[in-house]
Amino acid sequence: DAGITQSPRYKITETGRQVTLMCHQTWSHSYMFWYRQDLGHGLRLIYYSAAADITDKGEVPDGYVVSRSKTENFPLTLESATRSQTSVYFCASSEMLYEQYFGPGTRLTVT
Amino acid sequence: EDKVVQSPLSLVVHEGDTVTLNCSYEVTNFRSLLWYKQEKKAPTFLFMLTSSGIEKKSGRLSSILDKKELFSILNITATQTGDSAVYLCAVDGGSNYKLTFGKGTLLTVNP
Repeated sequence: DAGITQSPRYKITETGRQVTLMCHQTWSHSYMFWYRQDLGHGLRLIYYSAAADITDKGEVPDGYVVSRSKTENFPLTLESATRSQTSVYFCASSEMLYEQYFGPGTRLTVT
Repeated sequence: EDKVVQSPLSLVVHEGDTVTLNCSYEVTNFRSLLWYKQEKKAPTFLFMLTSSGIEKKSGRLSSILDKKELFSILNITATQTGDSAVYLCAVDGGSNYKLTFGKGTLLTVNP
């Protein structure tokens, strides 16, 4: 399917577990982004990537790790999940000077 | 630090009313301002504004940017229940096409 997809769509995990959220886009966009959305905070940028093998921190990167070995994939890993990381996570992609397109989101609950 | 403030935070209107949503910003190196609509799922793109005074229009929705006063408005005329959503304003502050989002305006349109 064309577009941007995320998996899993829903995930429940326990405190201390490692979790990886997947993001895949078929447009060959250069830029990819990870956001978390929480009530009262809106969308906040976790990490972004300007191209394969180029990543950088956003506003709230602590506790997260990203990689981008291929242009189309941008996985986000929570190394040791905490309850404060319970959130809805959105991946997005764009080309230079154009709007960002968002994936459907992953709802993560950390118990 | 880039900052985007939206007002009001929430708004309840009746079908047929006209609404105006506000977005003000402070960014280092403005490149563009974007409006998104979010209905319990991923944000969907509405408009991208880069130049002052030029209105963007799509059906009953329109938006304009004032780069001197650092704000934008989103107008919705003849509102319908399907317009009920959170409207997000975001600004590209000129660094790697990252977006800074406001907290959004929750619009509820009652029949």
